[in-house]
Amino acid sequence: GESVGLHLPTLSVQEGDNSIINCAYSNSASDYFIWYKQESGKGPQFIIDIRSNMDKRQGQRVTVLLNKTVKHLSLQIAATQPGDSAVYFCAESIGEGYQKVTFGIGTKLQVIP
Amino acid sequence: ETGVTQSPTHLIKTRGQQVTLRCSSQSGHNTVSWYQQALGQGPQFIFQYYREEENGRGNFPPRFSGLQFPNYSSELNVNALELDDSALYLCASSWDRASDEQFFGPGTRLTVL
Repeated sequence: GESVGLHLPTLSVQEGDNSIINCAYSNSASDYFIWYKQESGKGPQFIIDIRSNMDKRQGQRVTVLLNKTVKHLSLQIAATQPGDSAVYFCAESIGEGYQKVTFGIGTKLQVIP
Repeated sequence: ETGVTQSPTHLIKTRGQQVTLRCSSQSGHNTVSWYQQALGQGPQFIFQYYREEENGRGNFPPRFSGLQFPNYSSELNVNALELDDSALYLCASSWDRASDEQFFGPGTRLTVL
C-alpha cells in the first residue's frame, strides 16, 4: 500500500500505553484545528477537532489540547492499540471550519504489540 | 469507508503530458476539495468547488484546473506535467462549506517520469 510515513518523525509506543503527538501550528489567526489519521493506502480520516476559544476537548480515547500562547497542539491517545498505528496530521484553518485546511508535518505512530 | 471514490488508483505520465483525475463524492455533497500530498508530507490544498464553481484556491499555478458536475463527480486536470507533480492526489467532499466535515477519498498516485 501507499507509504505516507517516509522521513516523518516517528513515535514508538508500547501497546496499552498512552501516546502524545505534538504539533506546532503556523498561523496565529487560525481559529479551527483538526487532527487527522492517515493509514497506508487511505486518505486522511477525521479524529477530533477544537476551536480556538477552547483549551481542551475530549473524545473517545482521544484528547486534544490547544495552547494558543505558543501555537501548540497536542493529541493524546489513551491505551494505544495496534490499530492506532498510522500517520497523524494536525491541520488548521482560518474562518473556514473543516474546509481549506493547512496540514502540518505528520507524525508516524508505531504501536509495539 | 468514506463513500468517496477516486480513479485511477495509480497513473504514470511523462513530463509535458496532461492528466485528468476523477473523484466521485457522496450523494448530496455539494463541496469537493482537492489536495496534493507529496511523499512524506502533509496534503496541500489545491482548490475547492462548490455547486460547480471554484470557491477558493491554494498556491497552485493555473495549469491545475478542475470541474465539478451535477452528479457529484469531479475532475482535477493538470497540464504540462512536471516531475514535481508526482504525488498522491486526494479529493474530499462535504455537504456544504465550513460547517461540515470533509470526507477524503483514497487518492490517486501520480508518477511523472
